[in-house]
Amino acid sequence: DGGITQSPKYLFRKEGQNVTLSCEQNLNHDAMYWYRQDPGQGLRLIYYSQIVNDFQKGDIAEGYSVSREKKESFPLTVTSAQKNPTAFYLCASSDLDSQCQPQHFGDGTRLSIL
Amino acid sequence: DQQVKQNSPSLSVQEGRISILNCDYTNSMFDYFLWYKKYPAEGPTFLISISSIKDKNEDGRFTVFLNKSAKHLSLHIVPSQPGDSAVYFCAASGDKIIFGKGTRLHILP
Repeated sequence: DGGITQSPKYLFRKEGQNVTLSCEQNLNHDAMYWYRQDPGQGLRLIYYSQIVNDFQKGDIAEGYSVSREKKESFPLTVTSAQKNPTAFYLCASSDLDSQCQPQHFGDGTRLSIL
Repeated sequence: DQQVKQNSPSLSVQEGRISILNCDYTNSMFDYFLWYKKYPAEGPTFLISISSIKDKNEDGRFTVFLNKSAKHLSLHIVPSQPGDSAVYFCAASGDKIIFGKGTRLHILP
């Protein structure tokens, strides 16, 4: 079945530690996105990529980094510079050839601080 | 500066009745508007969309209405079912997609 796989489902980070969240898609979509969701908030865009080896900052990129070495993969690293990393992280992809470009989402990773 | 606003954090509707979820936007350059549904601990799933050149789009129990002059759109669900209980996000698409904060819909038995 085609879809987006995020792993792990739950992740714990110690103070000062970098952690990497995985996102893989087999939908052959060109564009991939990372969002953060906090309680009572909408989805806030962290980074997005429309093509391999290229990505752009979203609205809240500080303290995060990404790479797009393969079309299928868009890992997100939460660095120690992100002072409030506890949140639900969602990865999405979309087909840029579709006018409407609805995004397909993974089931998310919940990150907590130990 | 919120470009997409969902002013009702929650809504309760009796099973079988109509659910109406509202969304306002500020940018008249948006091309498409989308609605997503989200269950706890899952990612949002795409429900229905509407182009900015249309005023209505219907898909089964779901209808989205767009009022461009008021910069307002609404999602109608009729009849409402227990499985419709979820958080609904409105989103607007231009050079990127912007999401509202969501409305939690409770369908009461």
